[in-house]
Amino acid sequence: GNSVTQMEGPVTLSEEAFLTINCTYTATGYPSLFWYVQYPGEGLQLLLKATKADDKGSNKGFEATYRKETTSFHLEKGSVQVSDSAVYFCALVTNTGFQKLVFGTGTRLLVSP
Amino acid sequence: DAGITQSPRHKVTETGTPVTLRCHQTENHRYMYWYRQDPGHGLRLIHYSYGVKDTDKGEVSDGYSVSRSKTEDFLLTLESATSSQTSVYFCAIRGELAGGIGETQYFGPGTRLLVL
Repeated sequence: GNSVTQMEGPVTLSEEAFLTINCTYTATGYPSLFWYVQYPGEGLQLLLKATKADDKGSNKGFEATYRKETTSFHLEKGSVQVSDSAVYFCALVTNTGFQKLVFGTGTRLLVSP
Repeated sequence: DAGITQSPRHKVTETGTPVTLRCHQTENHRYMYWYRQDPGHGLRLIHYSYGVKDTDKGEVSDGYSVSRSKTEDFLLTLESATSSQTSVYFCAIRGELAGGIGETQYFGPGTRLLVL
């Protein structure tokens, strides 16, 4: 079946540090890939997405590249801020049927000043 | 903002009582979803709908039912609440694009449910 595996958190960084959150997936066919972010007490917001191999999604300084050969979609940011503290979810949707999202378990990021 | 509201936002109930959560959207989207969020599990799909009166089960549907009598409303009912259903519940809609590939799901603010 389809699944998403994320690195366990929390990830603890100082402000302006480089961020990588790993995400790998297993899927039949050619999924679309997403990163969602959840700030404390809020719902999930779409951060970025990529719909085919080698696409790069980017938003708010975050980037992720769809790597079909390694089945990965790692999230990166060059310089994190305290306001980036949140839980980050990697997810996929297969382009067949009713396109159900499959989520990873989430990675909590804590950024200190 | 995808125009999704959920009600109530917080609820405390007792084991064995029925509970209904409401999701309301204002943009006439066809596809709607209910998820629950639990530590260590991410979000898991409970039920989804692909039109008025058209619904289907997700991966954790036991103990839940849904109804969609109008495009804008998708109701989730816990027939007899149990402590294992204590969770945060999120509704989502799918923003549809031409060709039907790679659509994005947009989430409501969530309902925090505590079953005592």
